[in-house]
This record gives sequence, structure tokens and C-alpha cells, in this order.
Amino acid sequence: QQQVKQSPQSLIVQKGGISIINCAYENTAFDYFPWYQQFPGKGPALLIAIRPDVSEKKEGRFTISFNKSAKQFSLHIMDSQPGDSATYFCAARGIQGAQKLVFGQGTRLTINP
Amino acid sequence: KAGVTQTPRYLIKTRGQQVTLSCSPISGHRSVSWYQQTPGQGLQFLFEYFSETQRNKGNFPGRFSGRQFSNSRSEMNVSTLELGDSALYLCASSSDSFRNTIYFGEGSWLTVV
Repeated sequence: QQQVKQSPQSLIVQKGGISIINCAYENTAFDYFPWYQQFPGKGPALLIAIRPDVSEKKEGRFTISFNKSAKQFSLHIMDSQPGDSATYFCAARGIQGAQKLVFGQGTRLTINP
Repeated sequence: KAGVTQTPRYLIKTRGQQVTLSCSPISGHRSVSWYQQTPGQGLQFLFEYFSETQRNKGNFPGRFSGRQFSNSRSEMNVSTLELGDSALYLCASSSDSFRNTIYFGEGSWLTVV
């Protein structure tokens, strides 16, 4: 019940295309869903996050779509750029205000120029 | 403002030894957490500290321990190292005001031989 399942494991997108990464969860107590971006040799960096009472959140080229009834959420990267090539992790938090996050397995995104 | 600082960045230890990793959170942040990142298991929560008290703990054996000092700096210790403990150990911090924004350090790469 604590798992977050992420797909695909790897994704190749052409420059200018849309990258879509999906996550699903079981635990209805999760109250916060962040996405992290990680470059090789670096720690994860918070990209964008959403609460379950919102169906969509957009920040620049990055959008989270959230489907509470299906217990799924996804990250869309519009106009994907080679600099977006990184590993992306979805996560969920089960304890309000805590730092304990359950992470998906990660998606290695490659944007071809 | 300096980010989350972790030391050492890289270290090699022998099976059976113990290791101590250090983390300095962002100035003013009192919440500190630790994660283990491996290719097989992904990012897994170890423990979280707030004002020198352990607030949450993940599913790791007792060989993994941590503590937080009055200046919010934190250390984690792994005793009786096993080959499977080879991983990137990440420290994260957040402020009281913006608990949802969790900042990660660049991690300490531990190799057990």
C-alpha cells in the first residue's frame, strides 16, 4: 500500500515533443505528490508538486495532471529540450508536514536534438 | 544561501567496518531526513529528524542510525557494513514554513568492498 508505481522506466523524445511520465498509487492517505528531477552526480531537485484536491498544476513547460479517483498522476513536459534529459521521480507523502516520501522507481528521459 | 551540504562526497569502506556521514541543512531548516538511493531499490527513506528528535523511521535494520544536533546538523551511521550498503546516501532539509519544499544535497557515495 505504500508503493508508488512509475512508468515508463526509460523514455526517448524528440526535441520539441511532449514527454509524459505516469505514476499510480494505492494509499489514499497520501496528501502531497511532488516530482523530482535528478541529473547524474546530483541530488534530486524539486520540479513541481500537487495536492490531491487539485486536478492540474502548470509551471512553465511542466504540468502535473492528477486523477484522484483513479489514483494516478502524471508529469507532462511540453516542448521538451535536450537540457531536460535527466531522471525523473514521482513521489508521495503519507504524513502531513513530514519529510517521509515514497518514491517511484524513476524514468530516465532522453531528449534527442 | 548555501544548499544542503554533505560530507564526505565519496568513500570506500570494507565489509564489517562502520561509517559516519554528515549533513548540514540549509540555514534555518530544522527538519532533516536521510534517503538511500540504489539502482535496484531506488530512493528509500531512512529517517527524519526535527529539533534533535527522530520523527519518522523507514524499514531499515538497526545497523542504520542517525542523530541530529542542536544546530540542526545531522549524522547517520551504518555499522557492520555489508556489500549491499553500497549506495548514494542523500540528506534533505526543509523549513518550518515551507515543509513541502524538500531540498536534497548531492549525496555521499559509499562503496563497500
